[in-house]
Amino acid sequence: KAGVTQTPRYLIKTRGQQVTLSCSPISGHRSVSWYQQTPGQGLQFLFEYFSETQRNKGNFPGRFSGRQFSNSRSEMNVSTLELGDSALYLCASSFGGVGETGELFFGEGSRLTVL
Amino acid sequence: AQTVTQSQPEMSVQEAETVTLSCTYDTSESDYYLFWYKQPPSRQMILVIRQEAYKQQNATENRFSVNFQKAAKSFSLKISDSQLGDAAMYFCAQEEGAQKLVFGQGTRLTINP
Repeated sequence: KAGVTQTPRYLIKTRGQQVTLSCSPISGHRSVSWYQQTPGQGLQFLFEYFSETQRNKGNFPGRFSGRQFSNSRSEMNVSTLELGDSALYLCASSFGGVGETGELFFGEGSRLTVL
Repeated sequence: AQTVTQSQPEMSVQEAETVTLSCTYDTSESDYYLFWYKQPPSRQMILVIRQEAYKQQNATENRFSVNFQKAAKSFSLKISDSQLGDAAMYFCAQEEGAQKLVFGQGTRLTINP
């Protein structure tokens, strides 16, 4: 079956702009989580959605937001972009039921460059 | 907050030999999950192996095994019979809440032919 799909794969923005990234989870997965990966900070958790509800949130400013649709697809948005937002944004999906700690399936990521 | 530490930024090993990647973590929980993920140059992260803290037996997956020392909060990954395809960044991670992982900084593994 198809894996986790992230779009776009690469994008370039300028400071002050906003960006929306999309993630389509594996069919049947209801949990989608987002991570930011940078050389300096490594992999950092942004947020996680399950059945359209945000269940968990990392320590990122309010400029970072997300949502999940009824088909489990998720989007994340970053407003007022800063140079430090340049990163690889990874999406991961899982079944995510309460009490489940299963494997996270990652997409290939969206590489954002802020100029 | 939980922390995961990988003290080896880079490791290299000869093909067919064995290599061990180190990981320590810090948690006050008694039951939790630990993971090793692999990120090849194509960037898609994949799960290598998972350990449940309440299980004393070390997890194994083919050539991959872990040495889980709960009291020492240590979780090392051993790769036996290293293959060229094992070259990647390896991340140790601990579960902190539903579907939330705390990752270490990673170890870049190079396989020398």
